[in-house]
Amino acid sequence: NAGVTQTPKFQVLKTGQSMTLQCAQDMNHEYMSWYRQDPGMGLRLIHYSVGAGITDQGEVPNGYNVSRSTTEDFPLRLLSAAPSQTSVYFCASSSRGQGRYEQYFGPGTRLTVT
Amino acid sequence: AQKVTQAQTEISVVEKEDVTLDCVYETRDTTYYLFWYKQPPSGELVFLIRRNSFDEQNEISGRYSWNFQKSTSSFNFTITASQVVDSAVYFCALSEARTGNQFYFGTGTSLTVIP
Repeated sequence: NAGVTQTPKFQVLKTGQSMTLQCAQDMNHEYMSWYRQDPGMGLRLIHYSVGAGITDQGEVPNGYNVSRSTTEDFPLRLLSAAPSQTSVYFCASSSRGQGRYEQYFGPGTRLTVT
Repeated sequence: AQKVTQAQTEISVVEKEDVTLDCVYETRDTTYYLFWYKQPPSGELVFLIRRNSFDEQNEISGRYSWNFQKSTSSFNFTITASQVVDSAVYFCALSEARTGNQFYFGTGTSLTVIP
């Protein structure tokens, strides 16, 4: 199993550009989520999904969109990048159906918006 | 209000010393879950332990131990005989059964073990 994979690992955007951060998992997990990590702020939840076709907002959803058309994939879209979105983004998944609640994280995407 | 507080921002210890990382949480749920994650300098997040609110038994895994006390809403993590490889940022997190789809992370404690 590859676990949770994220692409790209690094990205530089100009203000106003859009892009999609990719996330995939091969563990058949129901739950997937996106976090951003900023210095001194821990991880903050952006969006999450409890299954294909179902998404919801987390703590800091503004400026981001998500969709979940398959169990495996959960892409994060930046609509119009802003310098405030410079951060490290982590995707995670967990298998709630088996009663396991720990999340498994991807390696992260370091995004810089200039 | 912060649901998970890790008051220690940075800790430095000399190798072989014991160190305790504090985690205090806040919830009104009677059923909840607590976690610790490790983030080494390479950046990945590694799951260490999960605890249910109805199981207050302390846990030991090698040099790692966890002390869960509902009376003080704390879930502290102790590393015995610390090693340089323990240098990392450690995060405590909370998930509530009522809103079970959201994890709340603390701001992390950066541990440096000096050889």
